[in-house]
Amino acid sequence: QKEVEQDPGPLSVPEGAIVSLNCTYSNSAFQYFMWYRQYSRKGPELLMYTYSSGNKEDGRFTAQVDKSSKYISLFIRDSQPSDSATYLCAMKGGFKTIFGAGTRLFVKA
Amino acid sequence: SQTIHQWPATLVQPVGSPLSLECTVEGTSNPNLYWYRQAAGRGLQLLFYSVGIGQISSEVPQNLSASRPQDRQFILSSKKLLLSDSGFYLCAFLAGDYNEQFFGPGTRLTVL
Repeated sequence: QKEVEQDPGPLSVPEGAIVSLNCTYSNSAFQYFMWYRQYSRKGPELLMYTYSSGNKEDGRFTAQVDKSSKYISLFIRDSQPSDSATYLCAMKGGFKTIFGAGTRLFVKA
Repeated sequence: SQTIHQWPATLVQPVGSPLSLECTVEGTSNPNLYWYRQAAGRGLQLLFYSVGIGQISSEVPQNLSASRPQDRQFILSSKKLLLSDSGFYLCAFLAGDYNEQFFGPGTRLTVL
């Protein structure tokens, strides 16, 4: 079993839709949870960072962590074509960061 | 401000040829440095990390090697490339309020 599981998609939605991206994990030692956004042929960039269960909101983005279920989510409200990218979840417990495979998102105008 | 550079951006190499990818960081000293490989549908695979000059830890046994000749320089090498070495190579360092990973622009390597 992989430490982090993420559906690779692709996920295609119309502009303005609410997008839900998810990851599950197996290692209860993970304490920090991140979402990275990666545009085509670019390096990933940090989008959201959380370290506790609950919700964290930043503009149109909301990160949700449920440690009891070992499940994290990223919600994108009012999605835009510019949100089209690959979204990678990442988790850290100690020195190493473990990344999900990434979900490819397409937002159609 | 802190920045990270990688070159070349794109590389096409024949099987059996050598490889040298370079990563440099600016605006920070003694950074933790990382090399990752990203293959389609497989996420980021940590290859090497370094906590200081001359200190290299290998995560995956393979025909690649890494070196850190200077504080802010990290090099990924191979003596003989394999087809399976094709991928997108990313260099990263730890920075920011949360000590998170900042990635470079990446090098796309195609081995033919």
